[in-house]
Amino acid sequence: AQSVSQHNHHVILSEAASLELGCNYSYGGTVNLFWYVQYPGQHLQLLLKYFSGDPLVKGIKGFEAEFIKSKFSFNLRKPSVQWSDTAEYFCAVNSPSGGYNKLIFGAGTRLAVHP
Amino acid sequence: NAGVTQTPKFRILKIGQSMTLQCTQDMNHNYMYWYRQDPGMGLKLIYYSVGAGITDKGEVPNGYNVSRSTTEDFPLRLELAAPSQTSVYFCASRSPSGYEQYFGPGTRLTVT
Repeated sequence: AQSVSQHNHHVILSEAASLELGCNYSYGGTVNLFWYVQYPGQHLQLLLKYFSGDPLVKGIKGFEAEFIKSKFSFNLRKPSVQWSDTAEYFCAVNSPSGGYNKLIFGAGTRLAVHP
Repeated sequence: NAGVTQTPKFRILKIGQSMTLQCTQDMNHNYMYWYRQDPGMGLKLIYYSVGAGITDKGEVPNGYNVSRSTTEDFPLRLELAAPSQTSVYFCASRSPSGYEQYFGPGTRLTVT
């Protein structure tokens, strides 16, 4: 069965620090990859996605992620975080099996940014 | 467009009670989903639907039922509430031509 691992459950950073959140998935075939963000008290919003093409994808609010197929990874990065980036971040993957209907989520990484 | 809307926002149930969580989308999406979110566990798929009249089980369907009589609505039914169903429930939808899912604001359910 597919699974998604997010290695850091809690991350605390100061403003202007660089961020990298790890995400690994277990599925050998074609995958679509997503990062969702959930700000406090809000619903999940799509941060960025990878379907095909350039493995370095850019999303909203200065976030980017790199798909490394050989490592089954899709790590999220931001060069300089802001207090407003405090949120929970979820990596997710779906695949043709199940008709792209089964979006598998990681457990999430809770990011706290201190001013 | 309102996107995906859910009601109620909060609910407290007693053990054994039943309730229906409502989900409506106005994007004319064929595909709709129900997830539950538990702390430290991410989101787990409960049920999904690929169109009116068609539903299928996800990872954690036990204790829940769904129906899909229209494209817009996808209610989730809890028949005999149990404390293990205390969670935050999210509804989502997507179009057949897109892979990304759009989420509603969630319903926080407590069963005591």
